[in-house]
Amino acid sequence: GAVVSQHPSWVICKSGTSVKIECRSLDFQATTMFWYRQFPKQSLMLMATSNEGSKATYEQGVEKDKFLINHASLTLSTLTVTSAHPEDSSFYICSARDEGTRLDSYEQYFGPGTRLTVT
Amino acid sequence: EDQVTQSPEALRLQEGESSSLNCSYTVSGLRGLFWYRQDPGKGPEFLFTLYSAGEEKEKERLKATLTKKESFLHITAPKPEDSATYLCAVQRSGTYKYIFGTGTRLKVLA
Repeated sequence: GAVVSQHPSWVICKSGTSVKIECRSLDFQATTMFWYRQFPKQSLMLMATSNEGSKATYEQGVEKDKFLINHASLTLSTLTVTSAHPEDSSFYICSARDEGTRLDSYEQYFGPGTRLTVT
Repeated sequence: EDQVTQSPEALRLQEGESSSLNCSYTVSGLRGLFWYRQDPGKGPEFLFTLYSAGEEKEKERLKATLTKKESFLHITAPKPEDSATYLCAVQRSGTYKYIFGTGTRLKVLA
C-alpha cells in the first residue's frame, strides 16, 4: 500500500521548451502532495505544496510562474517546468500522505523521481 | 529557526560492523521525526516514524530511537545491501511539511 508513481522517469528537453511531470497516488487519496528538487549528493529541497482544488503554496525563492503546479484530483498532481533552461536540470520527486487509511500517521510516501535534463 | 543536522556525512563499514547514525534537530513543536532510505537515482523509501521521546522502532537490522534533541538509527550487523543514503526529516506541529537533514551516505563493504 501507499504507492506513489511518477511519469516520466526521465526526460530530455531543449532549452526554452516546457515539460510536464505527473505524480499519482496509486492506492490512496491525497488532498496534499509535495514537490521536491534534489541536486547530486544533496538532500531534498521542498519546492511547493500542492493542494487539491486550490492553488499551490510555494517555498521562498521558488518561481511560481516557472514551476506550475496543478492538483486536479485526489490522486494526481502535475508539475510543469516552463521555458526550461539548463539550470533547471535536476531530479524532481513528489510525495503524498495517505489521508484515507492512515489518519493517525503523518509520514509521506515518495515517488521514484523524474530526472530532467535540459540541453 | 528549525534545523536538522545529520552526522556523519559519510560512513564506511565492514559487513557485520554495527554502528549508529545521528540526526540532531531543533524545531518548535515536534510532530514527528521520520527516517528514510534512498538508493541512487530513486525516491526515498519510508523506514520509521517516531513521535515522542523514548520511542523506539525496529525493522530487521535497523532500530530508530528518539530523544528530545536527537534521533539515532542503529544498524546491527550490516550487509552490503544496506548501503544507501539515510535521510532524517522532522515535521512541526500544524504542518505536514518536512525539514530534511543532509543525509548520511552509508557504504557497507563485503
